[in-house]
Amino acid sequence: AQSVTQPDIHITVSEGASLELRCNYSYGATPYLFWYVQSPGQGLQLLLKYFSGDTLVQGIKGFEAEFKRSQSSFNLRKPSVHWSDAAEYFCAVGAVNTGFQKLVFGTGTRLLVSP
Amino acid sequence: DADVTQTPRNRITKTGKRIMLECSQTKGHDRMYWYRQDPGLGLRLIYYSFDVKDINKGEISDGYSVSRQAQAKFSLSLESAIPNQTALYFCATSDPGQGGYTFGSGTRLTVV
Repeated sequence: AQSVTQPDIHITVSEGASLELRCNYSYGATPYLFWYVQSPGQGLQLLLKYFSGDTLVQGIKGFEAEFKRSQSSFNLRKPSVHWSDAAEYFCAVGAVNTGFQKLVFGTGTRLLVSP
Repeated sequence: DADVTQTPRNRITKTGKRIMLECSQTKGHDRMYWYRQDPGLGLRLIYYSFDVKDINKGEISDGYSVSRQAQAKFSLSLESAIPNQTALYFCATSDPGQGGYTFGSGTRLTVV
């Protein structure tokens, strides 16, 4: 069965600084990988996804993520954080061989942005 | 209008009461899901459905039931609510060809 680990519960970044949120997954075959963002009081919005091909994936709002099979990681990055990026971020993995019938989510990382 | 609509947005109920959370979608997707979100635990799958006649338990289905009334409607029921079912509940849909989910805005349920 697949699983996802987000080792950082909270991260604080200064506005304008770069950001990297960590995600490690466990799955025996090729995974589908996703990053979602949840703003306060809102549902989850898809930032980006990786299915195959180029391991560097571009998403919305200036985010990107890199799939590293050797490290079982799919870290999310942004070169310059804006105050509006403060939210909770979830990494998720889906099983390719079942047509990603269901996604397994990590426990989330809450991003705080300081002035 | 939102692609996935959940009602109510907030609900406070008493222990032992029956409560239904409703979800409707305009995406035309066959696949629908109910997740529960608790602080520090992320999202956990309660039930999922791949069409009107297909209902499957997720990892935490005890104490919950669902009904898929139509392709567009998927309801979650708590037959006898208990305080540890206090959580944020999300409905989602997915298109197998796209992979990602579309989430509703959530229902915040408090059981007192």
